[in-house]
Amino acid sequence: KQEVTQIPAALSVPEGENLVLNCSFTDSAIYNLQWFRQDPGKGLTSLLLIQSSQREQTSGRLNASLDKSSGRSTLYIAASQPGDSATYLCAVIESGNQFYFGTGTSLTVIP
Amino acid sequence: KAGVTQTPRYLIKTRGQQVTLSCSPISGHRSVSWYQQTPGQGLQFLFEYFSETQRNKGNFPGRFSGRQFSNSRSEMNVSTLELGDSALYLCASSPWKTNNEQFFGPGTRLTVL
Repeated sequence: KQEVTQIPAALSVPEGENLVLNCSFTDSAIYNLQWFRQDPGKGLTSLLLIQSSQREQTSGRLNASLDKSSGRSTLYIAASQPGDSATYLCAVIESGNQFYFGTGTSLTVIP
Repeated sequence: KAGVTQTPRYLIKTRGQQVTLSCSPISGHRSVSWYQQTPGQGLQFLFEYFSETQRNKGNFPGRFSGRQFSNSRSEMNVSTLELGDSALYLCASSPWKTNNEQFFGPGTRLTVL
């Protein structure tokens, strides 16, 4: 069964710092990988979707990479802002639209 | 385009009761998935519906069931509620083919007393 791990579980950084969130998965036979953010008590907001044929995707200050062979994805956030404070979740997508979520990284950006 | 909507947003029930939650996907999306989120277990997949058929099912007891209507709206039902069913229930929709991007609703917070 697919297992998805996110490290670190929590991260606190000063505003303006660049940071990297990590996501690892045990079964490399995935189709896609999706990154989300979740604000307290709210639903998930899609950030980036990386298809299996791609190695990275970019949106604004966010860049996500995918290395299927090593079972890893990273989410890079440039010039962090207090509004980036949230929990970040990665999900690997297997055949049949089966999603497996990581446990998340709680990010706090200190003004 | 309106996002995924879920009703009700908050619900309080007592043990033994049953509950029905509703999800309206983004217009044109035919796949609807349901998840349970708790602090201890994180996000766990319940089931996915596509064109009124359950396509995938997670590892939950039979007390958890769902259905999808012809307009792609979906409902999930939990019977004989237990304290451990207290959670945020999230619904997500995606366009129509497999492995597409999912878009989540705000969730329904269920509290079982």
